[in-house]
Amino acid sequence: GNSVTQMEGPVTLSEEAFLTINCTYTATGYPSLFWYVQYPGEGLQLLLKATKADDKGSNKGFEATYRKETTSFHLEKGSVQVSDSAVYFCALSDQGYSTLTFGKGTMLLVSP
Amino acid sequence: EADIYQTPRYLVIGTGKKITLECSQTMGHDKMYWYQQDPGMELHLIHYSYGVNSTEKGDLSSESTVSRIRTEHFPLTLESARPSHTSQYLCASTSSGTETQYFGPGTRLLVL
Repeated sequence: GNSVTQMEGPVTLSEEAFLTINCTYTATGYPSLFWYVQYPGEGLQLLLKATKADDKGSNKGFEATYRKETTSFHLEKGSVQVSDSAVYFCALSDQGYSTLTFGKGTMLLVSP
Repeated sequence: EADIYQTPRYLVIGTGKKITLECSQTMGHDKMYWYQQDPGMELHLIHYSYGVNSTEKGDLSSESTVSRIRTEHFPLTLESARPSHTSQYLCASTSSGTETQYFGPGTRLLVL
């Protein structure tokens, strides 16, 4: 079955530091890959996605590249802000687009 | 802009009570989902629906039930709440042929 593994948190950074949150996946076929973000007290929001190998998703300064050879979709940002403090979820879709499989989430804490 | 609503946002009830968590979306999405989010942040799919009169159980066994009588409405019911049901419940929706799920703000349930 499908599975997503992401690094455990919390990840604690100072403002303007470089961010990497690792995500690897196991899936049959060619899933689409997603990063969702959950701010405190809210539901999840789509941050970015990539639908095929070598695609790069980007949004709000965050980027992730779909690497089929390493089955990875690592999230990066060059300079984090305090407002980026949230929980980040990596996810993949099944081929029928019916359901998403989520990783366990990684909490990011950014201090001024 | 995604419009998906959940009520109540917070609920504290006693053991044995019957409760219904409401979820509505105004986007005309045919697919809807319920997730349970544990304190460790992990998301578990408990129910989903492909359309009116369609409901399926998710990956995590749940004592809750759902119904889908109208496209826009997907309520979740617990006939007899127990402390083990204490959690956050997130509703989501999407259209067939697309993969991005849009999430509501969640309901935080505390059963005493």
